Amino acid sequence: AQTVTQSQPEMSVQEAETVTLSCTYDTSESDYYLFWYKQPPSRQMILVIRQEAYKQQNATENRFSVNFQKAAKSFSLKISDSQLGDAAMYFCAFLPGGSNYKLTFGKGTLLTVNP
Amino acid sequence: EAGVAQSPRYKIIEKRQSVAFWCNPISGHATLYWYQQILGQGPKLLIQFQNNGVVDDSQLPKDRFSAERLKGVDSTLKIQPAKLEDSAVYLCASSLGAVEQYFGPGTRLTVT
Repeated sequence: AQTVTQSQPEMSVQEAETVTLSCTYDTSESDYYLFWYKQPPSRQMILVIRQEAYKQQNATENRFSVNFQKAAKSFSLKISDSQLGDAAMYFCAFLPGGSNYKLTFGKGTLLTVNP
Repeated sequence: EAGVAQSPRYKIIEKRQSVAFWCNPISGHATLYWYQQILGQGPKLLIQFQNNGVVDDSQLPKDRFSAERLKGVDSTLKIQPAKLEDSAVYLCASSLGAVEQYFGPGTRLTVT
């Protein structure tokens, strides 16, 4: 079974600054995907960024980038130029490859953005 | 395209009562998921459908929870009877059978 650990229950950042959210996972799978989802208060969960395990290059989506360390089973999210709208709960999630699309989520990190 | 729709958005019931949630996935998405998200935790998969067949219901408390997706489109999740510990947000998600799942707004259930 897979486990996903987010060791930071809460983080805060000043507007326009950079913040990094941590995630580690444990798996025996060789083929898998990793995701960061954003869940604003009382709003639906949306995908921020995804990483395929077979890709060595770190994924980037505008101000969001990841640091994927496969050997260390680490998958951190960096948010650059933080904006007030980035305030949300962020979940790291693991999906094994193959036909079983069972997402395993971490407990989340609550990000506060200070003006 | 329209997103995943869920109703109701909020529900308050007393313990031992029954409740049902409805989900309409994105058009054409064959795979549908129900998650339970307890306050302060990440979502936990309850059941996964591929078209109208169940792929995984290993974490569904089958003594009180049931779900169906009769025509391979809409789905309902039912709890009968509800317990206090069932208070949570129930999320529905759908996917085209591939990697990315799209989530609905959720139904917040409070059991008193």
